[in-house]
Amino acid sequence: SQQGEEDPQALSIQEGENATMNCSYKTSINNLQWYRQNSGRGLVHLILIRSNEREKHSGRLRVTLDTSKKSSSLLITASRAADTASYFCATVRGGSEKLVFGKGTKLTVNP
Amino acid sequence: EPEVTQTPSHQVTQMGQEVILRCVPISNHLYFYWYRQILGQKVEFLVSFYNNEISEKSEIFDDQFSVERPDGSNFTLKIRSTKLEDSAMYFCASQGGTGGRGNTIYFGEGSWLTVV
Repeated sequence: SQQGEEDPQALSIQEGENATMNCSYKTSINNLQWYRQNSGRGLVHLILIRSNEREKHSGRLRVTLDTSKKSSSLLITASRAADTASYFCATVRGGSEKLVFGKGTKLTVNP
Repeated sequence: EPEVTQTPSHQVTQMGQEVILRCVPISNHLYFYWYRQILGQKVEFLVSFYNNEISEKSEIFDDQFSVERPDGSNFTLKIRSTKLEDSAMYFCASQGGTGGRGNTIYFGEGSWLTVV
């Protein structure tokens, strides 16, 4: 698999439930960023977590990072229909500037 | 919240024509980027720009592409002699310079380019 691979590829849940999306990567990283994209729209930044951090919170979002397993997770609690979107993780390697994106998880929150 | 703005939001062009996509990055940012997303595919890095020069580019960013920061606010991507496979959403992004790299990268809403 390539750097920044998310799973599942698609996730459908009911409003009020929690949604967990996972991301794996292959090389060492400087930081990992999660983005949301509504269909046909731009990328909205959610959270940045650095390689020396293990967990970060922002509102209903919780991101974890396990550098030993080269994986991250994004948890959205108490989901809403408005959370329906594609979610991408993107990594930045040390010595590079570019974000390397995964294919994303398409989240559908049913009202 | 400050934002990256891009124009046009959508452009249709004939194969072989030149296209210029424009971006206004966040005003105090120092690092600028172009990415693209072909419909249904991953977001792909094209190029990064810092201190008035390209600092990193991907294999996609060949001689057909060029970037410029013509003044203190705009950042442009030029695609010469467009091909059908250049049809994609092109995203501009920027990053603040305090503390160097490794900060949040903010994206614009994108410019849809359709080559016919």
